Amino acid sequence: KQEVTQIPAALSVPEGENLVLNCSFTDSAIYNLQWFRQDPGKGLTSLLLIQSSQREQTSGRLNASLDKSSGRSTLYIAASQPGDSATYLCAASQGGSEKLVFGKGTKLTVNP
Amino acid sequence: GAVVSQHPSRVICKSGTSVKIECRSLDFQATTMFWYRQFPKQSLMLMATSNEGSKATYEQGVEKDKFLINHASLTLSTLTVTSAHPEDSSFYICSASRTGVGSSYNSPLHFGNGTRLTVT
Repeated sequence: KQEVTQIPAALSVPEGENLVLNCSFTDSAIYNLQWFRQDPGKGLTSLLLIQSSQREQTSGRLNASLDKSSGRSTLYIAASQPGDSATYLCAASQGGSEKLVFGKGTKLTVNP
Repeated sequence: GAVVSQHPSRVICKSGTSVKIECRSLDFQATTMFWYRQFPKQSLMLMATSNEGSKATYEQGVEKDKFLINHASLTLSTLTVTSAHPEDSSFYICSASRTGVGSSYNSPLHFGNGTRLTVT
């Protein structure tokens, strides 16, 4: 059974800082790994999807990496802005299905 | 594109009543939709997989008679919380998988904005 862990649970940084969010998963037989953003009381916004055959994906100031063998993914945010403040969720597909298993998220606060 | 609309966004109901939540894919067809529940400061937990034209598949521990799912068309799935109790108060979120776009395993899931259910 897939289990996803995110560290840290919360992170507070000053504006402009580069930061890394960590995600680990127990079952490496994944189809993909996705990073989402969730604002308070809202649904999820898909940020990046990394296919199992890929090592990283980039979108603007975001870069996500995937190391299946070690069961790890990182989300790198460059030049953080107050608008980046949100909870970031990592989700790994459960082997053989579209089902996603989510971590508890990292709550990011970027201080002006 | 790829918008998922969820309605209502908030609902307050009395204990013992039933509540229906709708999940619509507005600009694409979705053979499969997923229903999640999220308790405060917890991760999203998959409740069930909704398949158009067939019975939903429920995750272990989720009562199918309490959480009724209907996926009658390629753009609409509904979740009905029957005989709601205060412990059913939670944030319910649906997501949809786009039909026919390459491998669905490598297409991002699109999420609705969620429904905050409060049972008094």
